[in-house]
Amino acid sequence: ETGVTQSPTHLIKTRGQQVTLRCSSQSGHNTVSWYQQALGQGPQFIFQYYREEENGRGNFPPRFSGLQFPNYSSELNVNALELDDSALYLCASSPGLALITSTDTQYFGPGTRLTVL
Amino acid sequence: QKEVEQDPGPLSVPEGAIVSLNCTYSNSAFQYFMWYRQYSRKGPELLMYTYSSGNKEDGRFTAQVDKSSKYISLFIRDSQPSDSATYLCAMSPGTASKLTFGTGTRLQVTL
Repeated sequence: ETGVTQSPTHLIKTRGQQVTLRCSSQSGHNTVSWYQQALGQGPQFIFQYYREEENGRGNFPPRFSGLQFPNYSSELNVNALELDDSALYLCASSPGLALITSTDTQYFGPGTRLTVL
Repeated sequence: QKEVEQDPGPLSVPEGAIVSLNCTYSNSAFQYFMWYRQYSRKGPELLMYTYSSGNKEDGRFTAQVDKSSKYISLFIRDSQPSDSATYLCAMSPGTASKLTFGTGTRLQVTL
């Protein structure tokens, strides 16, 4: 086990609704990254938070937003859901920024499966 | 064209075979290369990581990076049914946490 948990496991929403997904990182992990994995595809980087500040964003619209809290938990919020948002949403945590000069790396949670109808 | 290309498979091999998994990429800034294994209904699990070109071995797994060809490989020796999973390559210019992934190759090791 990686020590990273996500909730809920599965979620069904309808188009236009809003959703909040949650992630709990290992204690001491100051960095959390969120990825979207569509069926049959590799994960795509959404954004990263380091010490509660956004630290980089992938090619996702502003309706994808996030928060990171001091207790090593974080949220991914998606507004105005679209059918194409149906995917597995993964969070991954690491102690630092997992730069190539360090040996730390990131650990993935099991994901939340979101279905948009 | 995607930055990282990976054959989705499926790849089916008999137990004990040597498996070769590959990715090509187009971004010459990538320096950090990783292989993840993902079982069904689970998150990706890090198998190997390498920095720049060269080989790295860990047990039955060997990772190779050829930056001149923009080509990376993962070899699995003495494959086992428990190796059946999707294998994802991932890479980054300078951090192991903002990764660009391939689509993943589904591997099935049969008895």
